[in-house]
Amino acid sequence: LAKTTQPISMDSYEGQEVNITCSHNNIATNDYITWYQQFPSQGPRFIIQGYKTKVTNEVASLFIPADRKSSTLSLPRVSLSDTAVYYCLLGGGATNKLIFGTGTLLAVQP
Amino acid sequence: DTEVTQTPKHLVMGMTNKKSLKCEQHMGHRAMYWYKQKAKKPPELMFVYSYEKLSINESVPSRFSPECPNSSLLNLHLHALQPEDSALYLCASSQGDEQYFGPGTRLTVT
Repeated sequence: LAKTTQPISMDSYEGQEVNITCSHNNIATNDYITWYQQFPSQGPRFIIQGYKTKVTNEVASLFIPADRKSSTLSLPRVSLSDTAVYYCLLGGGATNKLIFGTGTLLAVQP
Repeated sequence: DTEVTQTPKHLVMGMTNKKSLKCEQHMGHRAMYWYKQKAKKPPELMFVYSYEKLSINESVPSRFSPECPNSSLLNLHLHALQPEDSALYLCASSQGDEQYFGPGTRLTVT
């Protein structure tokens, strides 16, 4: 399965837009790109998923270039409650086997 | 109901004990998963059940024994565990590419 690379940590301030980039040079043709959010001692929570171009929902946007070798999660106007670990995952398909990468710890300060 | 429930929330067991973790979902999802998560690490996939049949076993030691009695329930039977098995055990379900995670069971092996 393709491996993902993310920054270990990022800092931001309330009200700013945060962009977290994930590299996945060996993405397979049938892999979807999915992002999850996890708070301490809780299960991960689905944020957004895409295959190519741009996807937007009520909480985030996902930008995927044409070569699909990277993706960027965009969180508009973050708040303190967005402090969490964010995981970029590749997978899907018949088995839906998801492999979590190391994740990015986002710290939002007032 | 878009919730995955897990019991117990916390479990302390000795190395000679036998215990079970329970997971339940009523979303009609036909795929269910067990993950293990150590502190400050990403979740690691252990088992996948698809339509109540074990489809993926990620080379997990036999002291962990999964069971899927019906489409809503998933158990993880534990026997002769080691202290290094102490972790957060997460259950998830899916019908498609989005996985819904439970809050986890915090297991401590003494």
